[in-house]
Amino acid sequence: SQELEQSPQSLIVQEGKNLTINCTSSKTLYGLYWYKQKYGEGLIFLMMLQKGGEEKSHEKITAKLDEKKQQSSLHITASQPSHAGIYLCGADSLNAGNMLTFGGGTRLMVKP
Amino acid sequence: EPEVTQTPSHQVTQMGQEVILRCVPISNHLYFYWYRQILGQKVEFLVSFYNNEISEKSEIFDDQFSVERPDGSNFTLKIRSTKLEDSAMYFCASRRAYSSGNTIYFGEGSWLTVV
Repeated sequence: SQELEQSPQSLIVQEGKNLTINCTSSKTLYGLYWYKQKYGEGLIFLMMLQKGGEEKSHEKITAKLDEKKQQSSLHITASQPSHAGIYLCGADSLNAGNMLTFGGGTRLMVKP
Repeated sequence: EPEVTQTPSHQVTQMGQEVILRCVPISNHLYFYWYRQILGQKVEFLVSFYNNEISEKSEIFDDQFSVERPDGSNFTLKIRSTKLEDSAMYFCASRRAYSSGNTIYFGEGSWLTVV
């Protein structure tokens, strides 16, 4: 089965600083999804990457998928307190269930 | 924007009681899922449902669990006899079709506390 490792597990940054979260897969990624979760709440879809080398941006968040399609990074520029939460990467499976398998999450705190 | 809705948002139940968690997936979606997240742990897949049947289930989804799509809009998760370790956030999700490119959208979750 596919395993996703996220690093770091937690991160505390000063407001205004840039940061990067990584997601590494044990197998080739066919669809990689980034979600954000606030404590005790649902998962909010951020971005989805499919092609090797692909990069997408939304506001101050940029996600990339490497050429080999085994690693993705999520970069936040000029972090704000509103960016705080848990960031989850999820990978498409190719089995009958068509579900996502998730990494363990990265807990981000942004100090004002 | 269409969204997945879940009820109840929070339920407290006694051990051994039956619980039904309800979900209304996005209307033109065909694939439905239940996930759970024990406090502080990973989001774990429970079951996927397509064309009125289970397409895949995890080891967690044992005989105590069942899913149903009783009508054209609702998708339910039933836990027959709850245990303390069933305490978790349960997420319903849906996607329009399967191909890598169709996003899975999640509901806000249902907190289940078993006492």
